[in-house]
Amino acid sequence: EVQLVESGGGLVQPGGSLRLSCAASGFTFSSYWMHWVRQAPGKGLVWVSRINSDGSSTSYADSVKGRFTISRDNAKNTLYLQMNSLRAEDTAVYYCARSGVVPAASFDYWGQGTLVTVSS
Amino acid sequence: EIVLTQSPATLSLSPGERATLSCRASQSVSSYLAWYQQKPGQAPRLLIYDASNRATGIPARFSGSGSGTDFTLTISSLEPEDFAVYYCQQRSNWPPTYTFGQGTKLEIK
Repeated sequence: EVQLVESGGGLVQPGGSLRLSCAASGFTFSSYWMHWVRQAPGKGLVWVSRINSDGSSTSYADSVKGRFTISRDNAKNTLYLQMNSLRAEDTAVYYCARSGVVPAASFDYWGQGTLVTVSS
Repeated sequence: EIVLTQSPATLSLSPGERATLSCRASQSVSSYLAWYQQKPGQAPRLLIYDASNRATGIPARFSGSGSGTDFTLTISSLEPEDFAVYYCQQRSNWPPTYTFGQGTKLEIK
């Protein structure tokens, strides 16, 4: 059974940093692209970032470019999101999600999400 | 950036009725269009990928159609558990970036 379990969310002050983790199991983690998607309270889904299967290629939404860094450790079956210079508008539930097979155009499995609150 | 516009914002129907949800892209997305269902407090669930393919375990009452810029999600006969928010999503070619529509809330009439 595919499982994605996020952790690392919490309350952080504006300008602060946080690192999210997503532990994957039930599939060959090193074969799949992975993503972070966020959802502000009461709002819609917003894609944040993507990383390819071996970690050599990444892409970001404009709203987080230069502040967030996605990475992965295939030996530990874990995905990360390092978030720096956090702003109030980054407050959201952050989901990790797996892309399906090539062309990796959709997200076939999702974690339960971890809440990040940016507030003083 | 490709913008996805979903309509209507809210759809009020009764169980047993047919639901038709629309997603329009600002430019062609080929067939890289997916649909998700989200219920309160839950993660989204993939329903349809590549415009018309049902994901694993999705009932046959859900179907997707369209190509280019105009896409439709149809639920042939609504079950009580189908009332939720539905999102469309696309992937752009390179670099791969992804966008979601703003969502359609399907509510019980």
